[in-house]
Amino acid sequence: GQSLEQPSEVTAVEGAIVQINCTYQTSGFYGLSWYQQHDGGAPTFLSYNALDGLEETGRFSSFLSRSDSYGYLLLQELQMKDSASYFCAVSHGQNFVFGPGTRLSVLP
Amino acid sequence: NAGVTQTPKFQVLKTGQSMTLQCAQDMNHEYMSWYRQDPGMGLRLIHYSVGAGITDQGEVPNGYNVSRSTTEDFPLRLLSAAPSQTSVYFCASSYSQDHNEQFFGPGTRLTVL
Repeated sequence: GQSLEQPSEVTAVEGAIVQINCTYQTSGFYGLSWYQQHDGGAPTFLSYNALDGLEETGRFSSFLSRSDSYGYLLLQELQMKDSASYFCAVSHGQNFVFGPGTRLSVLP
Repeated sequence: NAGVTQTPKFQVLKTGQSMTLQCAQDMNHEYMSWYRQDPGMGLRLIHYSVGAGITDQGEVPNGYNVSRSTTEDFPLRLLSAAPSQTSVYFCASSYSQDHNEQFFGPGTRLTVL
């Protein structure tokens, strides 16, 4: 089976840096994705890692270590609009499995 | 492009009723999928399709049917609604099964009484 773990909540102040971790156990693994979801909205794609290392997209970066079955999403220069839930997702073949999500609250 | 569209946005059913949730995309994506999201939880895959005429089960397929007669449309049918199916349903599509950026529709909020 597949399972993913994320912290349930993270709080940080505006302008700070926050890291959201994701560990996974899966029988097959193609890559790790990250999605953002605001309350009442649909998930939107942020990033994808298939290989070990860091991928940077503007203020957001994502890291993957396949040997440790671990990844993280790094958000820099936090803004109020970053308050949302963040989900990691493992793709294995044609299937996607999402983690339970981390609720990020950005305080002024 | 409208992207991924879903109808209806809200629906209330009585136990035992059947209905179809509609999903369409205009991006010529091969891969489409249905998820349900329960309060405070992640998304769980119900069914997916890698192309017209091809569908397969995801993590939680029981009580749901799908078909994919065209590239654009991927309806989800609830055969006999149960209160346990109260959830928010999201349809998603991506260019192919190997393309990991999924585009999500706005969701359908379903309540089964």
